[in-house]
Amino acid sequence: NAGVTQTPKFRVLKTGQSMTLLCAQDMNHEYMYWYRQDPGMGLRLIHYSVGEGTTAKGEVPDGYNVSRLKKQNFLLGLESAAPSQTSVYFCASSRGENTIYFGEGSWLTVV
Amino acid sequence: EDQVTQSPEALRLQEGESSSLNCSYTVSGLRGLFWYRQDPGKGPEFLFTLYSAGEEKEKERLKATLTKKESFLHITAPKPEDSATYLCAVLAYGGSQGNLIFGKGTKLSVKP
Repeated sequence: NAGVTQTPKFRVLKTGQSMTLLCAQDMNHEYMYWYRQDPGMGLRLIHYSVGEGTTAKGEVPDGYNVSRLKKQNFLLGLESAAPSQTSVYFCASSRGENTIYFGEGSWLTVV
Repeated sequence: EDQVTQSPEALRLQEGESSSLNCSYTVSGLRGLFWYRQDPGKGPEFLFTLYSAGEEKEKERLKATLTKKESFLHITAPKPEDSATYLCAVLAYGGSQGNLIFGKGTKLSVKP
């Protein structure tokens, strides 16, 4: 089972560039999430989705946009990258309000 | 304000030396408490979910317990492969699934 798959795994961006992180899950989960993890800060929720075509803001949504066009995919976009967005990004999914399962992470550096 | 505090931040054990990690929480009402293991360069791996005070769950050398104010992750006779960061998270009543609150983790090192 692939579970939750994120691409790309590593990316370096210049300030002001845009990019999209792709998340795919093969567990038929309704809920999907994007978190960021920074040293000393723990995991913080950026955006989440409770179903295809729906999205909602989490704790730190500024500077990010998301889309859930298909149930199995959840995209995280950075329209104009900033050095403060250097982080490790984790996608996750769950079957309703139950245990959340995480992907392997995407390391993003903005220079 | 809902919050989760894990202690200690780091713990170094000798192989076979049992110990416990603490997760204390302050929430309006607990819907569930989750424990995860995270290896360097990897995503969090689910370990346990606890829903009510008095509940206990076990998996190999790990045992998680829950009270009304805190949860413990007991590690019995740890091995070097148990070295990882252990994360605790809580889901509170009155919040959506988007309100899962994570602690900052305890980094466990087990030396042979």
